Amino acid sequence: QQQVKQSPQSLIVQKGGISIINCAYENTAFDYFPWYQQFPGKGPALLIAIRPDVSEKKEGRFTISFNKSAKQFSLHIMDSQPGDSATYFCAASYGGATNKLIFGTGTLLAVQP
Amino acid sequence: GAVVSQHPSWVICKSGTSVKIECRSLDFQATTMFWYRQFPKQSLMLMATSNEGSKATYEQGVEKDKFLINHASLTLSTLTVTSAHPEDSSFYICSASTSWGETQYFGPGTRLLVL
Repeated sequence: QQQVKQSPQSLIVQKGGISIINCAYENTAFDYFPWYQQFPGKGPALLIAIRPDVSEKKEGRFTISFNKSAKQFSLHIMDSQPGDSATYFCAASYGGATNKLIFGTGTLLAVQP
Repeated sequence: GAVVSQHPSWVICKSGTSVKIECRSLDFQATTMFWYRQFPKQSLMLMATSNEGSKATYEQGVEKDKFLINHASLTLSTLTVTSAHPEDSSFYICSASTSWGETQYFGPGTRLLVL
């Protein structure tokens, strides 16, 4: 119940295309769903996050879609750029930022020029 | 945005020695800090949660006597890997949050290599 399942494991997208990464969870107590971007040898950086009271959140080229009934959420990267090539992790927690994050397994994104 | 630093960024040590890693919140007071471990091409695995002034809460399977965590102030937490062995070689990452915060802020990580 504590798992967050992420897919695909890796993704290759052409420059200008849309990258889509999906996550699914079981624990309905989760109330905070962030996405992190990690470059090799660096710590994760927060991209965008959503709470279950909204179905979509957009920040620049990044959009989270949230389906509460299906217990799924996804990250869409519009107009993907080579600089977006990184590993992306979804995560979930309950009770706010002071509670532990449960991370997905990660998606390695490669954007080809 | 909030900045979290770690020191050192990388360390190489001999088997059997102890290594201390520092995690600092530079521009905010962190009531809670988290320590993660990440093996190559894998996800982040939470090791422990620490609150300022109290004992850390360790995740199942993490040896608290081997991975000593001290959160002595609102801006500093330390992780000491005692009697390190090659299998402890990994990327150690800390994060910090405030009691009212929306998210955790991650440090840049510390790469540990035990020979």
